[in-house]
Amino acid sequence: NAGVTQTPKFQVLKTGQSMTLQCAQDMNHNSMYWYRQDPGMGLRLIYYSASEGTTDKGEVPNGYNVSRLNKREFSLRLESAAPSQTSVYFCASSDTAVAPLHFGNGTRLTVT
Amino acid sequence: QKEVEQNSGPLSVPEGAIASLNCTYSDRGSQSFFWYRQYSGKSPELIMFIYSNGDKEDGRFTAQLNKASQYVSLLIRDSQPSDSATYLCAVISYNQGGKLIFGQGTELSVKP
Repeated sequence: NAGVTQTPKFQVLKTGQSMTLQCAQDMNHNSMYWYRQDPGMGLRLIYYSASEGTTDKGEVPNGYNVSRLNKREFSLRLESAAPSQTSVYFCASSDTAVAPLHFGNGTRLTVT
Repeated sequence: QKEVEQNSGPLSVPEGAIASLNCTYSDRGSQSFFWYRQYSGKSPELIMFIYSNGDKEDGRFTAQLNKASQYVSLLIRDSQPSDSATYLCAVISYNQGGKLIFGQGTELSVKP
């Protein structure tokens, strides 16, 4: 039982490049989330998906897109990376929107 | 005003003491409150959640919720060096469409 799996663990991009962060959960959870964490800022919600087929913007959605591919998978895409997107990205899932979150191990992204 | 505020610390306590971590929130309609612990370089992990006014105890940890004053706190009794971490407060905010919003975290250091 792996929980929430994120790939890749580390990534370096040049400004303007694109990439997709992958996330999968095996707990049959309905809700999935993408957060970014910057020093002194805590975790900020980028996008979330309350259930398969739905997505919604969080606090900081600009520059990102998401896809809820199926119940298990929720991907985050950066179409044109900017240095301001250098951060640690966490995917999380929960059974319902008010249940505790289970986090993946994070992706450390650097944009130069 | 931020939705969820914490003193960023660092908070330093001696081993065996009680560590008190505080969090205030702005949305009076919030119903669900969570404390997560995050070790350096790791993902957040749930310590406690509380939904009702009053205290909730789990081992050395006690969460306290006061909805009238809009604060939630975490007490750690008999603090151990292994408790040294950043503690994140999170609140379901209906001002943000029912999303889970995190504070910036309080760094706790327990000195042997």
